[in-house]
Amino acid sequence: DIVMTQSPDSLAVSLGERATINCKSSQSVLYSSNNKNYLAWYQQKPGQPPKLLIYWASTRESGVPDRFSGSGSGTDFTLTISSLQAEDVAVYYCQQYYSTPIFTFGPGTKVDIK
Amino acid sequence: QVQLVQSGAEVKKPGASVKVSCKASGYTFTSYDINWVRQATGQGLEWMGWMNPNSGNTGYAQKFQGRVTITRNTSISTAYMELSSLRSEDTAVYYCARGRRAVAGTSDYWGQGTLVTVSS
Repeated sequence: DIVMTQSPDSLAVSLGERATINCKSSQSVLYSSNNKNYLAWYQQKPGQPPKLLIYWASTRESGVPDRFSGSGSGTDFTLTISSLQAEDVAVYYCQQYYSTPIFTFGPGTKVDIK
Repeated sequence: QVQLVQSGAEVKKPGASVKVSCKASGYTFTSYDINWVRQATGQGLEWMGWMNPNSGNTGYAQKFQGRVTITRNTSISTAYMELSSLRSEDTAVYYCARGRRAVAGTSDYWGQGTLVTVSS
């Protein structure tokens, strides 16, 4: 199975500042035939189910604010929140969906306000 | 609007089985995959399995192979996840989620979650 890791485990950022979360897969999730990275990002607030933010590593889901952006390719990926808002306090998970039908999540990164 | 409504909390003894239901509304049930994900208290997300409600095809995480079964009843737009031989480590919130179209494996709408507690 593909193993996903994330760093850091948690971070605290001042309001309006940038937050950066890293995700690494144990093998490439880039599918060569369509040049797409099978990597998604989710946000989970306390007591709520996860919310899909980004798929194909960099495509924002409809309705997701443009302060959220994804980048990376192959095995290394980044989720950036360009200007942290109070409502962005949450745990963020990456997920690979390359290895059908096993779609593993990373361990999560908790984002708080400094 | 798209909704996934799950059955209520369950308390089970070790060795028993649990069956969680997930009723879909607001979209054509057979047109989107259903994924099942669980989350132990204070822990991360753990993907369990997947089903195509149209064909009934399923796929399961190796960790749960032989213990989990995902089924559906298309006439009532409901998916089910049954987990057998329960142990204390299976205590978690279990989520069903709709697979995002054309992005197999991801989930765009989620149920509210069902807490399953395994305790003697």
